[in-house]
Amino acid sequence: GQNIDQPTEMTATEGAIVQINCTYQTSGFNGLFWYQQHAGEAPTFLSYNVLDGLEEKGRFSSFLSRSKGYSYLLLKELQMKDSASYLCAVRDNDYKLSFGAGTTVTVRA
Amino acid sequence: EAGVAQSPRYKIIEKRQSVAFWCNPISGHATLYWYQQILGQGPKLLIQFQNNGVVDDSQLPKDRFSAERLKGVDSTLKIQPAKLEDSAVYLCASSLGGGIEQFFGPGTRLTVL
Repeated sequence: GQNIDQPTEMTATEGAIVQINCTYQTSGFNGLFWYQQHAGEAPTFLSYNVLDGLEEKGRFSSFLSRSKGYSYLLLKELQMKDSASYLCAVRDNDYKLSFGAGTTVTVRA
Repeated sequence: EAGVAQSPRYKIIEKRQSVAFWCNPISGHATLYWYQQILGQGPKLLIQFQNNGVVDDSQLPKDRFSAERLKGVDSTLKIQPAKLEDSAVYLCASSLGGGIEQFFGPGTRLTVL
């Protein structure tokens, strides 16, 4: 099975940077995903890492270290619309996704 | 392209009643997933279909939950009888086989009273 940990809540100011950490312990690993979920809406895909290193996509970047079982999602130039829950998910060798409980990010003016 | 469709969006029932949810995946997506998301938690996979066959239903409470995808396209998830702890959002997702990205539908919010 998978054990995925991420902080429950984070607060940051508009224009700032926030880093959401995710640690995992898995029985198989075939990629790590980050999803964004606004309140009352479905999760939407943000990023995917399967090799170690940093993946950058606009204001969002995601990092993976497989040896440490660690990932982070970096949100730069925060905007009010970035207030949402951010879900870390690990895919196993059967392509099954296991999600963490999510980190609620609140962006303040 | 059209996204994953789900209905109803909201449902309120009393415990011990039955309920069914419907999902229409993105056209051409062979893999379909049903997730349960309890408030404050991440989605938990209930069942995964590849075309009309079940790939994984290890976390589906089979004494009360059932799901089918008879023609390899639409799917229904049923709960019979419902319990209070079944109150959650039920999310349907689809992907291109073992593709990277799963596309989620808007979900059905179930409240069991």
